[in-house]
Amino acid sequence: KAGVTQTPRYLIKTRGQQVTLSCSPISGHRSVSWYQQTPGQGLQFLFEYFSETQRNKGNFPGRFSGRQFSNSRSEMNVSTLELGDSALYLCASSQDPQLANTGELFFGEGSRLTVL
Amino acid sequence: AQSVTQPDIHITVSEGASLELRCNYSYGATPYLFWYVQSPGQGLQLLLKYFSGDTLVQGIKGFEAEFKRSQSSFNLRKPSVHWSDAAEYFCAVGAQYSSASKIIFGSGTRLSIRP
Repeated sequence: KAGVTQTPRYLIKTRGQQVTLSCSPISGHRSVSWYQQTPGQGLQFLFEYFSETQRNKGNFPGRFSGRQFSNSRSEMNVSTLELGDSALYLCASSQDPQLANTGELFFGEGSRLTVL
Repeated sequence: AQSVTQPDIHITVSEGASLELRCNYSYGATPYLFWYVQSPGQGLQLLLKYFSGDTLVQGIKGFEAEFKRSQSSFNLRKPSVHWSDAAEYFCAVGAQYSSASKIIFGSGTRLSIRP
C-alpha cells in the first residue's frame, strides 16, 4: 500500500507570493491533517479535513487555508508569504477523524518551503 | 494545561550503548501515549503506542517504552543503539478517540550516534 505522498518536496518562494502544497493520503484514509514543523516551535497543528469538510483548525492566520477533494486528496495554501512561513509542512492521514482503534497518524515526508 | 515535555533537546550516545529518552506529560483524561521517529528528510513514523494494559510496550526497531502513571512519564528505551537510530524522536499524548487536532506533540529529542 502506498504511503502518504506530498508534493512538491522542496520549493523556494519570495515574500508576498503564495504557495499550494498537495497531499495524497493512504488509499482508504479519509482524514487528512496538516502540520507546520519549525526548529523553534516544533510540530504545530494547522487543520484537519474529513469528507471534504474542515473539522478543526489550529491557531494560524487566515493566510493559511486548505481544502479536501472527494478523493480525499488535500491541498493547503499559504498566501502573502512571510519569512516566518519557512518550514517543513507535514501531512498526515488516518482512516477516520477520531483515530479510533489505532490512534496512529501516517505522515508524509513533507514539503520543505523556504521563503526568501 | 495539557502538555508534553521532552527535557533533552539533543542526546549523543555511542553505538552499541543503551538509550533512554525522557517524556513527561500533563493530561486531564486517561492518556494515550505515542513515540514517533523522524529520520532526516523524512516524515514521522510511529514507533510504539500505549493505550492500556501492560505498561511496558514494545515497538518497532527494538524500541520499548514504559508508562509510569505516578510519574506522568513515558520514557523510550533501547538496549543497544545502531547508527541508523540517529533521528529526532517525538513523544505525543492524546485521548481515546481524539482527533489529530487533540494530539499534543513534544518538542522532540535529537539523537546523535557516536561511532
